[in-house]
Amino acid sequence: ETGVTQSPTHLIKTRGQQVTLRCSSQSGHNTVSWYQQALGQGPQFIFQYYREEENGRGNFPPRFSGLQFPNYSSELNVNALELDDSALYLCASRGRGDTQYFGPGTRLTVL
Amino acid sequence: AQTVTQSQPEMSVQEAETVTLSCTYDTSENNYYLFWYKQPPSRQMILVIRQEAYKQQNATENRFSVNFQKAAKSFSLKISDSQLGDTAMYFCAFMKPGGRGGSNYKLTFGKGTLLTVNP
Repeated sequence: ETGVTQSPTHLIKTRGQQVTLRCSSQSGHNTVSWYQQALGQGPQFIFQYYREEENGRGNFPPRFSGLQFPNYSSELNVNALELDDSALYLCASRGRGDTQYFGPGTRLTVL
Repeated sequence: AQTVTQSQPEMSVQEAETVTLSCTYDTSENNYYLFWYKQPPSRQMILVIRQEAYKQQNATENRFSVNFQKAAKSFSLKISDSQLGDTAMYFCAFMKPGGRGGSNYKLTFGKGTLLTVNP
């Protein structure tokens, strides 16, 4: 049990729609990162938030955006969904000793 | 940019035997962390073991141990007394820490090794 939760578990959207994924991390974990994991691949870093500000981004377009809230929850928003956005989205919060603890993920399917 | 390579897409082992998963990485950094994560069919990414690059001693966690060769940039995972519950995807990951919660908490993952433990 990592103490990191994500919702929803599964989500189906159509191309062009917008989606919001949510993550809740442990109290005191003030750094949260989001990763995209395509089928059969390792997770790819999307971005990181520290104290409610984006503080690092991977090779993802601006239609991927996020928010972090004072209560240690965060959101990943994706606009103008494309078929290739179908993936498992993982949230991770940084705990003691710089180790990142992952949530169970949200499976997004874009039709 | 750092890269992580896992050259074994799939491996299998008999229950109670020992298996070693390979990982190599490329970096110009001197201070960094390496991790092995396990991802069972439930999808939850679970930390198996971590190694700080400045530590010469190899990390161990119960049945799991690593062989960290810094000069060779190699970081293999040994699983002893394999159990059915060890069946999962195993990912090697690199992280350079530091900064004001800065961009350096990014994990760079390999493509993973699917380990199957057979009864």
